[in-house]
Amino acid sequence: DQQVKQNSPSLSVQEGRISILNCDYTNSMFDYFLWYKKYPAEGPTFLISISSIKDKNEDGRFTVFLNKSAKHLSLHIVPSQPGDSAVYFCAASDGDDMRFGAGTRLTVKP
Amino acid sequence: KAGVTQTPRYLIKTRGQQVTLSCSPISGHRSVSWYQQTPGQGLQFLFEYFSETQRNKGNFPGRFSGRQFSNSRSEMNVSTLELGDSALYLCASSLVVGQDTEAFFGQGTRLTVV
Repeated sequence: DQQVKQNSPSLSVQEGRISILNCDYTNSMFDYFLWYKKYPAEGPTFLISISSIKDKNEDGRFTVFLNKSAKHLSLHIVPSQPGDSAVYFCAASDGDDMRFGAGTRLTVKP
Repeated sequence: KAGVTQTPRYLIKTRGQQVTLSCSPISGHRSVSWYQQTPGQGLQFLFEYFSETQRNKGNFPGRFSGRQFSNSRSEMNVSTLELGDSALYLCASSLVVGQDTEAFFGQGTRLTVV
């Protein structure tokens, strides 16, 4: 069962604009959420995380928003840069298990 | 369609032992990647297999090895286990190598080394 879903397999945005990647989860026991970025032929690298006690976490151009009532989180990248083009995975943890979404491929066009 | 299946789900081993983990990808997927997830190091890439060949390898010692069979199922082996090998081991399958596409993760195998 897919407890973490990224319903958009791909997203294309113009350089300088905002990229919004979405992620939905079903398990209310998840209390820690992460975003990973992955380039081709490499493993994912950690990008940003958020605990369930917060609804927003910011790190430079990257902001993650958490809506616990909707079981939804999103990653905002502002402004988007061509180097941001990669596959982005969201992940959720309940302290024991970690579940991943299938990924969203972001393409930022110059 | 069935998702990625990893077995076993939980495993307890003692130091010095060896362990084999299994991953069955989604039907039709030919690429399987393995990752180690620990609280301190986060998600780290182990290796990737495609068509029975290792295509990419992360920065892990030779105690970590893997292989892929003709039906795309993959196994990961860790020899001479150390306490620090305790982690959640995840595999992910995708249609093609490089994972510049969707990847589907299994539930993982929780390995505890005592």
